[in-house]
Amino acid sequence: RKEVEQDPGPFNVPEGATVAFNCTYSNSASQSFFWYRQDCRKEPKLLMSVYSSGNEDGRFTAQLNRASQYISLLIRDSKLSDSATYLCVLHSGGYQKVTFGTGTKLQVIP
Amino acid sequence: GAVVSQHPSWVICKSGTSVKIECRSLDFQATTMFWYRQFPKQSLMLMATSNEGSKATYEQGVEKDKFLINHASLTLSTLTVTSAHPEDSSFYICSAREARGEKLFFGSGTQLSVL
Repeated sequence: RKEVEQDPGPFNVPEGATVAFNCTYSNSASQSFFWYRQDCRKEPKLLMSVYSSGNEDGRFTAQLNRASQYISLLIRDSKLSDSATYLCVLHSGGYQKVTFGTGTKLQVIP
Repeated sequence: GAVVSQHPSWVICKSGTSVKIECRSLDFQATTMFWYRQFPKQSLMLMATSNEGSKATYEQGVEKDKFLINHASLTLSTLTVTSAHPEDSSFYICSAREARGEKLFFGSGTQLSVL
């Protein structure tokens, strides 16, 4: 089983739709969790941290479920500018080990 | 916010030459730096992790003699692709993390094309 698994997509959604991605992980000792977005041929940019208590930033909500070992990202009222690849990232081993998911591609359609 | 400068942004070279990519943390001390490679339409693949003053730890399948990593100071890490071949053509990205910091700060990437 891969350390981190994401559905590669693409998720094609109309503007204004709500879309959710999940990311499952196998290492129960993972310490910190993040969502990054990456535009084509650009570096990943931090979108938000993920906590068990949930984290909301405008239209974006992230959640960590340690019992089931997955994190989620919910995007409400999708905009064209949300089109990107969304990567889940885990830190473990005293933050020395960083593991990236393969990314989920989102395409928001007019 | 923290800034990581990576250059060159792109480089074209002949097969057999060596290419050096620099990654600098501009406003913080990067105790750990990571180097990644990304082929078209594929995910980021971690190549190696380097801690300042120590030898880099390479991921399985990454040739340490081909991809030389130096992290001699808290603000600079370099990746040298030695004797580059066309199959080494890829997008290389660095990221940096300060001591006890959780967040990663990425360089803007280097597109390497080997002819």
